[in-house]
Amino acid sequence: DGGITQSPKYLFRKEGQNVTLSCEQNLNHDAMYWYRQDPGQGLRLIYYSQIVNDFQKGDIAEGYSVSREKKESFPLTVTSAQKNPTAFYLCASIRDGASEAFFGQGTRLTVV
Amino acid sequence: KNEVEQSPQNLTAQEGEFITINCSYSVGISALHWLQQHPGGGIVSLFMLSSGKKKHGRLIATINIQEKHSSLHITASHPRDSAVYICAVIQGAQKLVFGQGTRLTINP
Repeated sequence: DGGITQSPKYLFRKEGQNVTLSCEQNLNHDAMYWYRQDPGQGLRLIYYSQIVNDFQKGDIAEGYSVSREKKESFPLTVTSAQKNPTAFYLCASIRDGASEAFFGQGTRLTVV
Repeated sequence: KNEVEQSPQNLTAQEGEFITINCSYSVGISALHWLQQHPGGGIVSLFMLSSGKKKHGRLIATINIQEKHSSLHITASHPRDSAVYICAVIQGAQKLVFGQGTRLTINP
């Protein structure tokens, strides 16, 4: 079955360490997205990519980096420059020209 | 003003009550999703709508494209329905926008 896989579901890291969150899809979707959710808040756009080897900053890109070397994969790195990295991170994708989005289960990152 | 507005932000009800959560958006869309997130849990997609109405078990979702409005209804609500419900719309060229979410609590 096609879908989006985010791993891991829960992640703990020490302050000051970079951490990479995985997002893989086997849906042949062109557009992929990363969102962040803080407790009691809505989802905010970090980065998005509409084609391989290209990506754009969202509303809260500072302290994050991404890559899109393959259509299937859009990993998000939370760098040590991100002041408050503890949050829920959601990956999503949309097929070009289609009207349906698919969502990962999310990764809950806790930095201690 | 957010492009996608949900109401209410918080809703508390007794078990068995009929629940309605609303979503309004300001620009044209190609589709709308209703998502569910249990406390401390991940995101689950409940419905995708581009017109009309869909039903799955006790959940019903409707959309009125002309009025730019969608509703999610829960019949015979149960404490296990307690979660955050999120509306997400696809606008234009693959722009995905989320509402702020509605926190639903169903008391036994």
